[in-house]
Amino acid sequence: GEQVEQLPSSLIVQEGASVLINCSYTDSASVYFPWYKQEPGKRLQFIIDIRSNMERKQTQRLTLLFDKKTKHLSLHITATQPGDSAIYFCSASMNYNQGKLIFGQGTKLSIKP
Amino acid sequence: DPKIIQKPKYLVAVTGSEKILICEQYLGHNAMYWYRQSAKKPLEFMFSYSYQKLMDNQTASSRFQPQSSKKNHLDLQITALKPDDSATYFCASSQDGWGVQDTQYFGPGTRLLVL
Repeated sequence: GEQVEQLPSSLIVQEGASVLINCSYTDSASVYFPWYKQEPGKRLQFIIDIRSNMERKQTQRLTLLFDKKTKHLSLHITATQPGDSAIYFCSASMNYNQGKLIFGQGTKLSIKP
Repeated sequence: DPKIIQKPKYLVAVTGSEKILICEQYLGHNAMYWYRQSAKKPLEFMFSYSYQKLMDNQTASSRFQPQSSKKNHLDLQITALKPDDSATYFCASSQDGWGVQDTQYFGPGTRLLVL
C-alpha cells in the first residue's frame, strides 16, 4: 500500500528563519496531498493542500511544491514565528479510497525565540 | 471553536474491558472518519463512513466497531481492550466522503490508556 515518508523528523531553527520539510510517497495513484499541523495536546489543524494537477501552491508564509515525476513534496515556511512550533504532517489520498488519508510520521519543528 | 467534539478527552481502562469513544460534528458534513495515533505508529486510518454507511475499514480486529446513530455522530466501540490499544483516537469529518479531495477536519482526540 501507499507509504508516506517525511524528512527531517525534527528541526530546530531560530525565529525568523525559513524551513523546508520534505515528503515523499510511493503510489502514483495518490492525487491529493493535505498537510496538517499539530501543536502539543491539540487537534490536527489543516494548513495547506495540493492536488496532483498542480506544481505549486502558496498561502501566506507557506509554499507547497509538488513533483509528480519524483513523487516528492516540499513545504517551505518563511519568517518562522514561535507559534509555528508544532509537528507537521504530510498526507496522501488516492482516487479510489473514499477519503482515506495516509500520513507520514511527522516533522517536529521547534522555533527558538 | 470546537465544531467536532470528542468525549471523553482522557480515558483509563482495564485490560479486557469495553469502552465507547464519542464523536459528534456540527459542520454539516456527510463523511466521518476515525484515525489512531500511538507512540509506535504515525497517524493510522481506521474507518470511513459516508452518509452513515461504512466505506472503508482498515482495522484488522473486529474488536473495533464504529457506530453511527445519527448523520453527525460516529462513535467507536472497543471491546476486550488490550494495552496495545493505548493511543489517541481522532475523529475527523469532511463534506462528502466520495470526494477524495475534501478537506478533512479533525477533532481534539480521545487519549486512551489501557492498563
